[in-house]
Amino acid sequence: KNQVEQSPQSLIILEGKNCTLQCNYTVSPFSNLRWYKQDTGRGPVSLTIMTFSENTKSNGRYTATLDADTKQSSLHITASQLSDSASYICVVTTGTASKLTFGTGTRLQVTL
Amino acid sequence: NAGVTQTPKFQVLKTGQSMTLQCAQDMNHNSMYWYRQDPGMGLRLIYYSASEGTTDKGEVPNGYNVSRLNKREFSLRLESAAPSQTSVYFCASTPGQGNYQPQHFGDGTRLSIL
Repeated sequence: KNQVEQSPQSLIILEGKNCTLQCNYTVSPFSNLRWYKQDTGRGPVSLTIMTFSENTKSNGRYTATLDADTKQSSLHITASQLSDSASYICVVTTGTASKLTFGTGTRLQVTL
Repeated sequence: NAGVTQTPKFQVLKTGQSMTLQCAQDMNHNSMYWYRQDPGMGLRLIYYSASEGTTDKGEVPNGYNVSRLNKREFSLRLESAAPSQTSVYFCASTPGQGNYQPQHFGDGTRLSIL
């Protein structure tokens, strides 16, 4: 069964600090891996999409890495801001745009 | 630019009642999707429409029906609501079925079945 596991489940950091979120997947066949940001009460918003040949992709202060050999990905947030408080969801695509396996997310809280 | 619009935002139903959740996108996308999001679980696909005039079952279609009314609109119907259908429902769209296309989500409908 295709699975996407994220850690930690939740995280609290001080504003200005960096953090890294983890994603492990057992999905086959692999097409691409996505990270989404979901603010409370809102729908998910795409941050990055990476194919197996892309090791790193950045979107502003967000940098995603992918190791297709170990089936691991991470999302690094630099110089966190209060507005980064949200759930971050790792998603793996196995084929067409309808074949997505979603992780349960990491809930990040950035405090003063 | 509104993107994906879902109505209503909140709804409370009694067991056995029926309801239609509405979704419309203004990005001229061909493909649309309905997901449900439950605590402790990842989003799960209920139904999708790869293009106007087609619909297909996703991972959890039981208890639901869909209608692709036109290119813009994709509705989800609960014929006889059950407490197990209490969830947050998200509609999404993509330009097509290419696997590198990000999904654009609406802000959800929060549905409680009593």
